[in-house]
Amino acid sequence: DVKVTQSSRYLVKRTGEKVFLECVQDMDHENMFWYRQDPGLGLRLIYFSYDVKMKEKGDIPEGYSVSREKKERFSLILESASTNQTSMYLCASSFRVLRQPQHFGDGTRLSIL
Amino acid sequence: AQTVTQSQPEMSVQEAETVTLSCTYDTSENNYYLFWYKQPPSRQMILVIRQEAYKQQNATENRFSVNFQKAAKSFSLKISDSQLGDTAMYFCALATDSWGKLQFGAGTQVVVTP
Repeated sequence: DVKVTQSSRYLVKRTGEKVFLECVQDMDHENMFWYRQDPGLGLRLIYFSYDVKMKEKGDIPEGYSVSREKKERFSLILESASTNQTSMYLCASSFRVLRQPQHFGDGTRLSIL
Repeated sequence: AQTVTQSQPEMSVQEAETVTLSCTYDTSENNYYLFWYKQPPSRQMILVIRQEAYKQQNATENRFSVNFQKAAKSFSLKISDSQLGDTAMYFCALATDSWGKLQFGAGTQVVVTP
């Protein structure tokens, strides 16, 4: 089975802090994704990566950056955390083929105080 | 731009009954995939079923089946013989590009009662 592991299930940080969310997958997937999940809005794509060191903006990239130095690891960075970034963050990975589904981690519930 | 709309925020169904979740989408692409994902309280997003736009036949996975109406851009999910373990948030999603990026609907919370 595919395993997508997010480093933290719950995280509490302060406004202005630099926050790192880590995601690791074990299936040699080319694609990796970061989503934000908010009630009534579903999942919205923040960034995705289709290869090592490659990244593309999603629908809501403002206030976030990403890093993919190794194929299995994809990091989401909040450069200066703000309260409106309090949310659930989900990482996913997939093969680079349209029909292949994405496999998700368990999510990180991030609170910015 | 692609959009996915789920108009039912919450639905309740009794065990062993059938429930149908609606999803409509909009895209100008000819080749695309549609997915239903389930997110139980444990938060793990699980693929329920997928449908390729080119396939006329509706996809089925055990108690889960879809009604794919391409002309109407509708993709509903039917859960038959509902079980308590089906209680979850259900998301409809659309993939249109070669990267497989997903556009999600807002979700429908399904509650199965004894």
